[in-house]
Amino acid sequence: DTGVSQNPRHKITKRGQNVTFRCDPISEHNRLYWYRQTLGQGPEFLTYFQNEAQLEKSRLLSDRFSAERPKGSFSTLEIQRTEQGDSAMYLCASSLDSYNSPLHFGNGTRLTVT
Amino acid sequence: KQEVTQIPAALSVPEGENLVLNCSFTDSAIYNLQWFRQDPGKGLTSLLLIQSSQREQTSGRLNASLDKSSGRSTLYIAASQPGDSATYLCAVRRPNRDDKIIFGKGTRLHILP
Repeated sequence: DTGVSQNPRHKITKRGQNVTFRCDPISEHNRLYWYRQTLGQGPEFLTYFQNEAQLEKSRLLSDRFSAERPKGSFSTLEIQRTEQGDSAMYLCASSLDSYNSPLHFGNGTRLTVT
Repeated sequence: KQEVTQIPAALSVPEGENLVLNCSFTDSAIYNLQWFRQDPGKGLTSLLLIQSSQREQTSGRLNASLDKSSGRSTLYIAASQPGDSATYLCAVRRPNRDDKIIFGKGTRLHILP
């Protein structure tokens, strides 16, 4: 169990560019979550997968955001045509398939849009 | 709509003191409540998870309590140490298929050496 892994750790991009982040969950965890966190705030829910199925997507997620988990293992989060307001820490978490299983977070990807 | 509040937003305490962090939530229909620690620039580390049927959980110097009917949880830290300095967040899990785990904004704790 190597924990939840996120890459890259930091990403600086110019406004209008596309970016993609990757999350590798703990291997036996079939639930995977993406959250966004800005300074001084708690994490805000973006989307959630159970295996490869995306079961919920927040209204915070505009059409520029898309997430995939093609084989029920790793997941990617893509942001198209980035805006300065997208600057935040993007956190991935995973858990076992039980509502009483704790969430395990990765160290996040910090996105800066210039 | 479930809302989670943590008061105070920041707290400074001399080393060695015991302290209590508070978390309140508006909808008592929850599966569980989880406490996390977050160091600057890092992800969240799970500390304790209390199921809705439980009243408290303990791990080392940490004790978390849950009063579901009043919508409150506390995290008690005994004999605080400078290494306890971090932001502490609580999160509630609702019994819905959407599984939107809702977080508070956290309490930023500073232990004074």
